[in-house]
Amino acid sequence: DIQMTQSPSSLSASVGDRVTITCRASQNINIYLNWYQQKSGKAPKLLIYGASSLESGVPSRFSGSGSETDFTLTINSLQPDDFATYFCQQSYSTPFTFGPGTKVDIK
Amino acid sequence: QVQLQESGPGLVKPSETLSLTCTVSGGSMSDYYWSWIRQTPGKGLEWIGYVHTSGRSNSNPSLRSRVTMSVNPSKSQISLRLGSVTAADTAVYYCARVTNAISAPGTWFDPWGQGTLVTVSS
Repeated sequence: DIQMTQSPSSLSASVGDRVTITCRASQNINIYLNWYQQKSGKAPKLLIYGASSLESGVPSRFSGSGSETDFTLTINSLQPDDFATYFCQQSYSTPFTFGPGTKVDIK
Repeated sequence: QVQLQESGPGLVKPSETLSLTCTVSGGSMSDYYWSWIRQTPGKGLEWIGYVHTSGRSNSNPSLRSRVTMSVNPSKSQISLRLGSVTAADTAVYYCARVTNAISAPGTWFDPWGQGTLVTVSS
């Protein structure tokens, strides 16, 4: 199985901050990497697919980058609605696997 | 837009079979893969498997011996059965559509159902 790790596991930030979350795969996954946002008690919501493609309806302050084993999710100018947990997920091979999540809360 | 809704018993006894249904509304099921994913505080998000409307399926090797998935397009439903459950199978279970696009490689889960909590306990 491909192992996904994320750092940090949590962070505190203020509205307007730029936030960067890192995801690392245990092997080369090309750009078969997706990002999801999950709010408490809700299902995950797709933000980014194919490492850098923004899902329709997702604000442009969200962006993704990276390839092979190292990926980044960036939130420019953090908004109150962005306080949530973020997960990466690889679709390079089955079993599909997720990162452990990064919780973004209010400083 | 497509919406998914999971349903089933919230409590299952150890050694019994967990059975869930996911009902799809607002769109066609045809030519898609449909996935089951579960989430626990300890193990996080775990992909259980996917099933196609043609009947093709694939599941996580860690659960494969206990998992059965099926699709009923006439009822717009996907079903999951997980046998011989233990407390470790206590989780929120989600169904999700497996989606892809010409513009990017790979697949992703979108949309998701709201999830249903299943507790394994006597």
